[in-house]
Amino acid sequence: KAGVTQTPRYLIKTRGQQVTLSCSPISGHRSVSWYQQTPGQGLQFLFEYFSETQRNKGNFPGRFSGRQFSNSRSEMNVSTLELGDSALYLCASSWGSRQGATEQYFGPGTRLTVT
Amino acid sequence: KNQVEQSPQSLIILEGKNCTLQCNYTVSPFSNLRWYKQDTGRGPVSLTIMTFSENTKSNGRYTATLDADTKQSSLHITASQLSDSASYICVVSAYASGGSYIPTFGRGTSLIVHP
Repeated sequence: KAGVTQTPRYLIKTRGQQVTLSCSPISGHRSVSWYQQTPGQGLQFLFEYFSETQRNKGNFPGRFSGRQFSNSRSEMNVSTLELGDSALYLCASSWGSRQGATEQYFGPGTRLTVT
Repeated sequence: KNQVEQSPQSLIILEGKNCTLQCNYTVSPFSNLRWYKQDTGRGPVSLTIMTFSENTKSNGRYTATLDADTKQSSLHITASQLSDSASYICVVSAYASGGSYIPTFGRGTSLIVHP
């Protein structure tokens, strides 16, 4: 069974530009979550999508947005990039059960560098 | 504010020795606690998931404990191997609306195993 895939793996952008990252979950998984990881702040929750609906959102500015398609693939977009957005962006997928704790599987991440 | 504190920040041990990592949290309402292992440059991999009613969970040489009364968890690694060198992250999730969860991450413990 294929794992979670993220594209691209590496990206360099300039301040003020926008960027779109893609995540393909494990087949059958309906929940996709996005996280930002930086040396200064560690891992932080961005948002979660389940069945094409944003179910939860972390404490990030509106420049960070996402969406999920009917095949559960998800994209996240960051507009008006700032230097502080340089980070490893991770997505994770799970069955998305409404009860109990379900296993989350992480992708390898997209390393974004903003110059 | 939900918080997760991990200690120690870093740890160096000799191959074959045991070690214990700590996680203290103030997360409410508590849903579950997870331990992840993250190798450098890779996405986190789940080791254990525990809900409120579970106080011990094992995964091979990894054993996690949870004391919901004192809001503490520990991860015990037995007979360490060089491949155990990684960052170990404690994640505590709170219930949110719609049957989903909001995760709060610890900053991780960096473990180095020397031969």
